[in-house]
This record gives sequence, structure tokens and C-alpha cells, in this order.
Amino acid sequence: AQSVTQLGSHVSVSEGALVLLRCNYSSSVPPYLFWYVQYPNQGLQLLLKYTTGATLVKGINGFEAEFKKSETSFHLTKPSAHMSDAAEYFCAVSDNFGNEKLTFGTGTRLTIIP
Amino acid sequence: DGGITQSPKYLFRKEGQNVTLSCEQNLNHDAMYWYRQDPGQGLRLIYYSQIVNDFQKGDIAEGYSVSREKKESFPLTVTSAQKNPTAFYLCASSNRQGRGETQYFGPGTRLLVL
Repeated sequence: AQSVTQLGSHVSVSEGALVLLRCNYSSSVPPYLFWYVQYPNQGLQLLLKYTTGATLVKGINGFEAEFKKSETSFHLTKPSAHMSDAAEYFCAVSDNFGNEKLTFGTGTRLTIIP
Repeated sequence: DGGITQSPKYLFRKEGQNVTLSCEQNLNHDAMYWYRQDPGQGLRLIYYSQIVNDFQKGDIAEGYSVSREKKESFPLTVTSAQKNPTAFYLCASSNRQGRGETQYFGPGTRLLVL
């Protein structure tokens, strides 16, 4: 069975500072990994995903994440936080046996301090 | 514009009542999913369907039912057997082919109990 752990349910950073949101996964086979963002009372939007190939993945809005197999991690970063980044972020791992089920972490709420 | 629509945005359920949440997609996706979101718990899979006239239970299917009579539609019924239905419900879809496919989410329906 696969699982996802997001360390820190709430993270606060100052505007212009580095954003680091942590995600660790557990999977018995090579995983497919995703980061989604959710703004209040809205659906989820894909930020980026890792399937195969390059382990550093770039996404929308200046975010990127690095797949580290040895650490079973897929942390999300952004060099400089913007007020519009305030939202909830979810890491997810896919069941890669072909049925595309996603297992989500419990989410990290990001607050940007002006 | 292609996308996923969910209706209504807000839904109120009385004791003992069944209610149905609508989900429609015009992305020509084969697979569709229903998730339940509760504060601090992330998203949990209720049901999913990989093809018309076929669907499987997810992790928390008790008290819910679905149908998939058309490719573009995947309605969810919250039955009276679901004793704690208050939550945010999200519908998603993805291409069936290939692994690591992105799931695209609708805007959600918030269900409240009167």
C-alpha cells in the first residue's frame, strides 16, 4: 500500500522568502508523484508531477520539486514567496498499476506574511 | 472551454434524505472519480470509474452510491446510511490510457446537514 506524509500542516513564510513544503512517500514500486494547490472553496489544480526521467520537475507559478528516491521525498520549493501563493498544498502518489488511483497527503496550509 | 462542472455549489440534506451530486466533464476522459474532503484529512476516494457502466469502491464507499451511464457524467448519491455527510465533495477525471495521468478536478460541492 502506498502512503504520503506531509510534514507540517501549517507553514508561514515572509513575502520574498523561500517556500519549502515537505512530502515523503511510501511505495513498493516506483511512484508517480504530484503536487496540487487548492484555493479556498475551490477544486484542486495541478502544480507539477513526476513520472519518469528528470528528477527535478518545474511547474506553474515558479514552483519546482525534486524526486529523491533514496530519501523517498518529493519536496516542493519556490525561491521567492508571493502573496498569491497563500493556499493549501497537497502531495499525492499514484497507484501505478494502471487504475490511476491517487493517495493524498493531509495537506499543508501556506500563509504568506507581508 | 473544456472542463469539469459540479452542481450544486451548496447542498442541504435533511435527516433520512438521499441527495445526488452532479458531475459532468467535456474532456472526453474515460476515468472519473469522487473524493470527500474533511478539514485536516486530505482527500479520500469514495468511488471511481474507468469506463462507462463500470465502477469500483474506493476507501470510504459506505453510505454512497454512483452510476456511470454516460461517459461524461458520474453522479454521486449520498444516502441516508451515510451518518456524517457534511463535507466538501470533489469530482475529478483523467485519461485512462497511460500511467501517471493527471486528474483534473471540478470546483466542488459543499454538503451540509440541516
